[in-house]
Amino acid sequence: QSVLTQPPSVSGAPGQRVTISCTGSSSNIGAGYDVHWYQQLPGTAPKLLIYGNSNRPSGVPDRFSGSKSGTSASLAITGLQAEDEADYYCQSYDSSLSGCYVFGTGTKVTVL
Amino acid sequence: QVQLVQSGSELKKPGASVKVSCKASGYTFTSYAMNWVRQAPGQGLEWMGWINTNTGNPTYAQGFTGRFVFSLDTSVSTAYLQISSLKAEDTAVYYCARDLGRCFDYWGQGTLVTVSS
Repeated sequence: QSVLTQPPSVSGAPGQRVTISCTGSSSNIGAGYDVHWYQQLPGTAPKLLIYGNSNRPSGVPDRFSGSKSGTSASLAITGLQAEDEADYYCQSYDSSLSGCYVFGTGTKVTVL
Repeated sequence: QVQLVQSGSELKKPGASVKVSCKASGYTFTSYAMNWVRQAPGQGLEWMGWINTNTGNPTYAQGFTGRFVFSLDTSVSTAYLQISSLKAEDTAVYYCARDLGRCFDYWGQGTLVTVSS
Protein backbone atom coordinates (compact mmCIF):
# COMPACT_ATOMS: atom_id res chain seq x y z
CA GLN A 1 0.00 0.00 0.00
CA SER A 2 1.13 3.50 -0.81
CA VAL A 3 1.84 5.88 2.05
CA LEU A 4 1.27 8.94 -0.14
CA THR A 5 -2.38 9.73 -0.83
CA GLN A 6 -3.62 11.47 -3.98
CA PRO A 7 -7.15 12.11 -5.25
CA PRO A 8 -8.13 9.41 -7.76
CA SER A 9 -9.15 11.93 -10.37
CA VAL A 10 -9.32 15.60 -11.23
CA SER A 11 -10.73 17.26 -14.32
CA GLY A 12 -10.82 20.61 -15.98
CA ALA A 13 -11.64 22.36 -19.22
CA PRO A 14 -8.92 23.42 -21.60
CA GLY A 15 -7.19 26.53 -20.32
CA GLN A 16 -8.22 25.99 -16.73
CA ARG A 17 -5.99 25.38 -13.73
CA VAL A 18 -6.05 22.10 -11.84
CA THR A 19 -4.16 21.01 -8.76
CA ILE A 20 -3.28 17.55 -7.46
CA SER A 21 -2.53 17.02 -3.81
CA CYS A 22 -0.14 14.48 -2.33
CA THR A 23 -0.59 13.85 1.38
CA GLY A 24 2.08 12.08 3.38
CA SER A 25 3.21 11.91 6.98
CA SER A 26 6.01 12.73 9.40
CA SER A 27 8.16 9.88 8.08
CA ASN A 28 8.23 11.07 4.49
CA ILE A 29 7.15 14.51 3.26
CA GLY A 30 6.85 15.89 6.78
CA ALA A 31 10.38 14.73 7.57
CA GLY A 32 11.69 17.10 4.96
CA TYR A 33 12.23 14.68 2.11
CA ASP A 34 11.75 16.08 -1.35
CA VAL A 35 8.68 15.34 -3.44
CA HIS A 36 8.91 14.52 -7.12
CA TRP A 37 6.17 14.21 -9.72
CA TYR A 38 5.79 11.96 -12.75
CA GLN A 39 3.46 12.08 -15.72
CA GLN A 40 2.38 8.83 -17.32
CA LEU A 41 0.66 9.17 -20.66
CA PRO A 42 -1.53 6.23 -21.69
CA GLY A 43 0.53 3.19 -22.63
CA THR A 44 3.88 4.80 -21.91
CA ALA A 45 6.51 4.83 -19.19
CA PRO A 46 6.39 7.49 -16.50
CA LYS A 47 8.29 10.70 -17.16
CA LEU A 48 9.88 12.94 -14.54
CA LEU A 49 7.85 16.14 -14.43
CA ILE A 50 8.96 17.93 -11.25
CA TYR A 51 11.94 17.12 -9.03
CA GLY A 52 13.01 18.50 -5.70
CA ASN A 53 9.51 19.81 -4.93
CA SER A 54 9.41 22.56 -7.52
CA ASN A 55 12.06 22.11 -10.20
CA ARG A 56 11.27 21.30 -13.81
CA PRO A 57 13.62 19.19 -15.92
CA SER A 58 14.63 20.67 -19.23
CA GLY A 59 11.78 20.49 -21.72
CA VAL A 60 8.92 20.46 -19.23
CA PRO A 61 6.58 23.40 -19.89
CA ASP A 62 6.30 26.04 -17.19
CA ARG A 63 2.56 25.29 -17.04
CA PHE A 64 3.57 22.62 -14.56
CA SER A 65 4.60 23.71 -11.08
CA GLY A 66 5.12 22.02 -7.76
CA SER A 67 5.07 23.05 -4.15
CA LYS A 68 5.43 21.48 -0.72
CA SER A 69 4.25 22.45 2.73
CA GLY A 70 4.27 20.44 5.92
CA THR A 71 3.23 16.86 5.22
CA SER A 72 1.76 17.61 1.79
CA ALA A 73 2.75 18.62 -1.69
CA SER A 74 0.87 19.83 -4.73
CA LEU A 75 1.21 19.78 -8.49
CA ALA A 76 -0.50 22.55 -10.43
CA ILE A 77 -1.21 22.56 -14.13
CA THR A 78 -2.19 25.95 -15.52
CA GLY A 79 -3.56 26.49 -19.01
CA LEU A 80 -4.69 22.87 -19.17
CA GLN A 81 -4.22 21.27 -22.59
CA ALA A 82 -5.61 18.12 -24.15
CA GLU A 83 -2.18 16.50 -24.12
CA ASP A 84 -2.03 16.85 -20.34
CA GLU A 85 -4.59 14.07 -19.99
CA ALA A 86 -2.58 11.43 -18.14
CA ASP A 87 -1.91 9.80 -14.81
CA TYR A 88 0.23 11.74 -12.34
CA TYR A 89 2.19 10.29 -9.44
CA CYS A 90 4.01 11.92 -6.58
CA GLN A 91 7.05 10.21 -5.07
CA SER A 92 9.20 10.71 -2.01
CA TYR A 93 11.43 8.88 0.44
CA ASP A 94 10.13 7.26 3.60
CA SER A 95 12.34 6.64 6.60
CA SER A 96 9.98 4.33 8.46
CA LEU A 97 10.36 1.25 6.28
CA SER A 98 14.11 0.70 6.52
CA GLY A 99 14.42 3.58 4.12
CA CYS A 100 12.70 3.33 0.81
CA TYR A 101 11.11 5.24 -1.98
CA VAL A 102 7.34 5.55 -2.05
CA PHE A 103 4.88 6.55 -4.76
CA GLY A 104 1.55 8.23 -4.41
CA THR A 105 -1.66 6.45 -5.27
CA GLY A 106 -1.88 8.28 -8.59
CA THR A 107 -4.31 10.81 -10.06
CA LYS A 108 -6.02 10.64 -13.42
CA VAL A 109 -6.32 14.07 -15.03
CA THR A 110 -9.14 14.38 -17.54
CA VAL A 111 -9.44 17.31 -19.90
CA LEU A 112 -13.11 17.97 -20.49
CA GLN B 1 21.37 10.70 -25.14
CA VAL B 2 20.49 8.59 -22.14
CA GLN B 3 18.47 5.49 -22.97
CA LEU B 4 17.27 2.52 -21.01
CA VAL B 5 16.09 -0.26 -23.31
CA GLN B 6 14.32 -3.22 -21.78
CA SER B 7 13.75 -6.70 -23.10
CA GLY B 8 10.48 -7.70 -24.70
CA SER B 9 7.22 -9.02 -23.30
CA GLU B 10 7.18 -12.41 -21.66
CA LEU B 11 4.43 -15.00 -21.25
CA LYS B 12 5.19 -17.50 -18.53
CA LYS B 13 3.40 -20.30 -16.74
CA PRO B 14 2.94 -20.27 -12.98
CA GLY B 15 6.01 -21.60 -11.22
CA ALA B 16 8.40 -20.61 -13.99
CA SER B 17 11.08 -17.93 -13.83
CA VAL B 18 11.68 -14.83 -15.91
CA LYS B 19 14.66 -12.51 -16.36
CA VAL B 20 14.10 -8.96 -17.56
CA SER B 21 17.02 -6.93 -18.87
CA CYS B 22 17.57 -3.19 -18.92
CA LYS B 23 20.43 -1.98 -21.14
CA ALA B 24 21.72 1.50 -20.45
CA SER B 25 23.47 3.79 -22.90
CA GLY B 26 24.48 7.41 -23.16
CA TYR B 27 26.06 7.68 -19.71
CA THR B 28 28.49 5.94 -17.38
CA PHE B 29 26.48 2.99 -16.11
CA THR B 30 28.22 2.76 -12.75
CA SER B 31 27.63 6.41 -11.92
CA TYR B 32 23.94 5.98 -11.15
CA ALA B 33 21.99 3.42 -9.18
CA MET B 34 19.21 1.54 -10.92
CA ASN B 35 15.72 1.06 -9.57
CA TRP B 36 12.93 -1.33 -10.46
CA VAL B 37 9.25 -0.36 -10.41
CA ARG B 38 6.21 -2.56 -10.89
CA GLN B 39 2.85 -1.57 -12.31
CA ALA B 40 0.09 -4.17 -12.17
CA PRO B 41 -2.69 -3.90 -14.76
CA GLY B 42 -4.74 -0.78 -14.13
CA GLN B 43 -2.82 -0.04 -10.94
CA GLY B 44 -0.30 2.50 -9.72
CA LEU B 45 3.46 2.47 -9.48
CA GLU B 46 5.16 0.34 -6.85
CA TRP B 47 8.84 0.69 -5.99
CA MET B 48 10.53 -2.73 -5.87
CA GLY B 49 14.01 -1.72 -4.83
CA TRP B 50 17.34 -0.65 -6.24
CA ILE B 51 20.80 -1.91 -7.01
CA ASN B 52 24.08 -0.12 -6.46
CA THR B 53 25.75 -0.28 -9.87
CA ASN B 54 29.20 0.15 -8.32
CA THR B 55 29.06 -2.64 -5.76
CA GLY B 56 26.21 -4.74 -7.12
CA ASN B 57 24.55 -4.58 -3.71
CA PRO B 58 20.75 -4.81 -4.04
CA THR B 59 18.11 -3.42 -1.71
CA TYR B 60 14.62 -4.86 -1.87
CA ALA B 61 11.41 -3.16 -0.81
CA GLN B 62 9.02 -4.93 1.51
CA GLY B 63 7.08 -7.48 -0.48
CA PHE B 64 9.88 -8.05 -2.95
CA THR B 65 12.19 -10.29 -0.98
CA GLY B 66 12.84 -13.94 -1.69
CA ARG B 67 11.62 -14.44 -5.27
CA PHE B 68 13.03 -11.23 -6.74
CA VAL B 69 16.69 -10.78 -7.60
CA PHE B 70 18.46 -7.73 -9.01
CA SER B 71 21.77 -8.23 -10.77
CA LEU B 72 24.18 -6.49 -13.12
CA ASP B 73 26.56 -7.07 -15.97
CA THR B 74 28.59 -3.88 -15.97
CA SER B 75 30.59 -5.04 -19.00
CA VAL B 76 27.47 -4.48 -21.10
CA SER B 77 25.87 -1.76 -18.96
CA THR B 78 22.87 -3.92 -18.21
CA ALA B 79 20.74 -4.45 -15.15
CA TYR B 80 18.57 -7.50 -14.65
CA LEU B 81 15.46 -8.40 -12.70
CA GLN B 82 14.81 -12.08 -12.16
CA ILE B 83 11.57 -13.35 -10.70
CA SER B 84 11.26 -17.00 -9.72
CA SER B 85 8.25 -19.18 -8.83
CA LEU B 86 6.01 -16.88 -10.81
CA LYS B 87 2.43 -16.36 -9.68
CA ALA B 88 -0.55 -14.89 -11.48
CA GLU B 89 -0.27 -11.79 -9.30
CA ASP B 90 3.20 -11.11 -10.72
CA THR B 91 1.51 -10.14 -13.98
CA ALA B 92 2.58 -6.54 -14.48
CA VAL B 93 4.72 -4.13 -16.40
CA TYR B 94 8.18 -3.88 -14.90
CA TYR B 95 10.23 -0.72 -15.37
CA CYS B 96 13.86 0.04 -14.71
CA ALA B 97 14.57 3.65 -13.77
CA ARG B 98 17.82 5.53 -13.29
CA ASP B 99 18.32 7.05 -9.86
CA LEU B 100 19.17 10.75 -9.98
CA GLY B 101 19.33 10.88 -6.21
CA ARG B 102 15.96 10.23 -4.62
CA CYS B 103 14.07 10.56 -7.91
CA PHE B 104 14.08 8.74 -11.23
CA ASP B 105 15.10 10.78 -14.25
CA TYR B 106 15.13 8.16 -17.01
CA TRP B 107 12.91 5.14 -17.39
CA GLY B 108 12.95 2.08 -19.57
CA GLN B 109 10.00 1.50 -21.85
CA GLY B 110 8.69 -1.26 -19.60
CA THR B 111 8.46 -5.02 -19.93
CA LEU B 112 5.12 -6.78 -19.67
CA VAL B 113 5.33 -10.06 -17.83
CA THR B 114 2.19 -12.15 -18.10
CA VAL B 115 1.79 -15.22 -15.88
CA SER B 116 -0.91 -17.55 -17.08
CA SER B 117 -1.47 -21.24 -17.43
